[in-house]
Amino acid sequence: GAGVSQSPSNKVTEKGKDVELRCDPISGHTALYWYRQSLGQGLEFLIYFQGNSAPDKSGLPSDRFSAERTGGSVSTLTIQRTQQEDSAVYLCASSSSGRWPDEQFFGPGTRLTVL
Amino acid sequence: GEDVEQSLFLSVREGDSSVINCTYTDSSSTYLYWYKQEPGAGLQLLTYIFSNMDMKQDQRLTVLLNKKDKHLSLRIADTQTGDSAIYFCADGVFSGYSTLTFGKGTMLLVSP
Repeated sequence: GAGVSQSPSNKVTEKGKDVELRCDPISGHTALYWYRQSLGQGLEFLIYFQGNSAPDKSGLPSDRFSAERTGGSVSTLTIQRTQQEDSAVYLCASSSSGRWPDEQFFGPGTRLTVL
Repeated sequence: GEDVEQSLFLSVREGDSSVINCTYTDSSSTYLYWYKQEPGAGLQLLTYIFSNMDMKQDQRLTVLLNKKDKHLSLRIADTQTGDSAIYFCADGVFSGYSTLTFGKGTMLLVSP
């Protein structure tokens, strides 16, 4: 079956513009995660969705970042008024239940470059 | 908050063993993970170990955990050029779901 897919694979934008990044999780997976991978910084947790529960937004770095998950499936990460420090690879992962030791399956990421 | 540290780079020759080390700070870590990232790809889970274990072996991979020192290692036997990738250590602390804290990754370069 298909894995986690993300689009676009690359996005170049100008400072101050808004961007939307999309994640299609594995069908049937109830848990969905967004991470940010910056050069030399490892992976930074951004947000977690589990089914229809309220998301854990504790990792979002500022109020310019938001995410939604429609119908418990596809998720969109939105960054408003992008800044150069937002340049990174944004990774999405999904897992079947979110419980231990649930394997997180990662998508290939979206590389965001803010000029 | 939690912190996970790894060495950034390791270079080995094909056929040698590779050992990638990781330290973590959170004593309540429940599971510890090793992920592999190949160029242009997402992360792939290699193996994980429960915190009450001290060793796990899976084919060419051996994971050692020293819970007292909060030290985790991944040994790859008979390293191949296809093992060249970035390896991430991650720890998971129970918070109702499996949120992971990742290290910055160790780039493994295997030369022929």
